Amino acid sequence: DARVTQTPRHKVTEMGQEVTMRCQPILGHNTVFWYRQTMMQGLELLAYFRNRAPLDDSGMPKDRFSAEMPDATLATLKIQPSEPRDSAVYFCASGLRTGRGYEQYFGPGTRLTVT
Amino acid sequence: GENVEQHPSTLSVQEGDSAVIKCTYSDSASNYFPWYKQELGKGPQLIIDIRSNVGEKKDQRIAVTLNKTAKHFSLHITETQPEDSAVYFCAAPRSDDKIIFGKGTRLHILP
Repeated sequence: DARVTQTPRHKVTEMGQEVTMRCQPILGHNTVFWYRQTMMQGLELLAYFRNRAPLDDSGMPKDRFSAEMPDATLATLKIQPSEPRDSAVYFCASGLRTGRGYEQYFGPGTRLTVT
Repeated sequence: GENVEQHPSTLSVQEGDSAVIKCTYSDSASNYFPWYKQELGKGPQLIIDIRSNVGEKKDQRIAVTLNKTAKHFSLHITETQPEDSAVYFCAAPRSDDKIIFGKGTRLHILP
């Protein structure tokens, strides 16, 4: 049963620390998305990649967030330095293009708490 | 800019009754409309989708209808069960291929 995996599932850190979240997309999916979910903002798209190349990262605060795909089996989202307002659940999804959209399959998320 | 409006934000229905959630979109070129179900502590799960060349799609107790002229699509759940309690999201692609999600509907199935 192919699934998107994310690590860690939970992360508590102090303000100013670096946070790295990892995602393994489903084998064969060439598009990877990073989302942030909060009660106030709902699901926000932070960045996405196709064939490992970044297509759009306009949803990310550029000064502190960075996203990469070192290889086809790993996507990373890094926050440096972290701030309390970054506390949220971060989801990775991998997908297949269909029409103008994507069939997306979400991972279980990383719950980040910045104190 | 393009967005997706979803209503209602909360919905309570008696077990066995039907539930309907509606979404409107603004980009007339959108042609793929998925619905996701998110249970507590989990990521959203794709449950059904529809493409613009059809008006309705059904999968057991869930169905999605699309009205391209009015630019809205709806999720219908019949014979609701306790396990249908969750948050449901609609989504639509934008002209730049970004996927825009609705704000979600929290569905409560009452015993």
